[in-house]
Amino acid sequence: EAGVAQSPRYKIIEKRQSVAFWCNPISGHATLYWYQQILGQGPKLLIQFQNNGVVDDSQLPKDRFSAERLKGVDSTLKIQPAKLEDSAVYLCASSLDEGGGRNIQYFGAGTRLSVL
Amino acid sequence: GNSVTQMEGPVTLSEEAFLTINCTYTATGYPSLFWYVQYPGEGLQLLLKATKADDKGSNKGFEATYRKETTSFHLEKGSVQVSDSAVYFCALRKDSNYQLIWGAGTKLIIKP
Repeated sequence: EAGVAQSPRYKIIEKRQSVAFWCNPISGHATLYWYQQILGQGPKLLIQFQNNGVVDDSQLPKDRFSAERLKGVDSTLKIQPAKLEDSAVYLCASSLDEGGGRNIQYFGAGTRLSVL
Repeated sequence: GNSVTQMEGPVTLSEEAFLTINCTYTATGYPSLFWYVQYPGEGLQLLLKATKADDKGSNKGFEATYRKETTSFHLEKGSVQVSDSAVYFCALRKDSNYQLIWGAGTKLIIKP
């Protein structure tokens, strides 16, 4: 079974530029998550999708960040314009909509963003 | 609210030493608890989990027991290897929406 695919692995941009990240979840996984992981910290949830609908985007800085999941499969996360403090690893995860102990999040390798 | 607290790192041990990484939580209800591991340059991988009190999760020689009375889920391994060097994250899952609440992570360094 293929895992969660993310691209690119690394991105370096200057502040005020825009950038986009792509994620393809595990086949059949209805729920998709985007996290921001700043060095030395745990992941911070940015947005959670179920199929192509948004479940929670309360921590997404909507003035500069946007995300979409057209057709309920792959997803893109965009930052426009980028700030220095956006330097982080952006992680995508997906999970089946199973109840109880079987709801497990599986993570991609992440995209490391450096804003100069 | 819900929160997870982990011991600060880095934790540096010699090969074959006994490992404990402390994790305590605050939560309403009865969350599920997880340990994830992040090897250098890789994404997060589920290491083990426990879904109810007194459950013991185990994998690759690591163990953790869900202790409701002490609100803890400490990670242990009897004999660590150099290949265990990584960052370990403790997390709890909110049953309402399956979101994970994460600790800050503990970096483990094993010296040969």
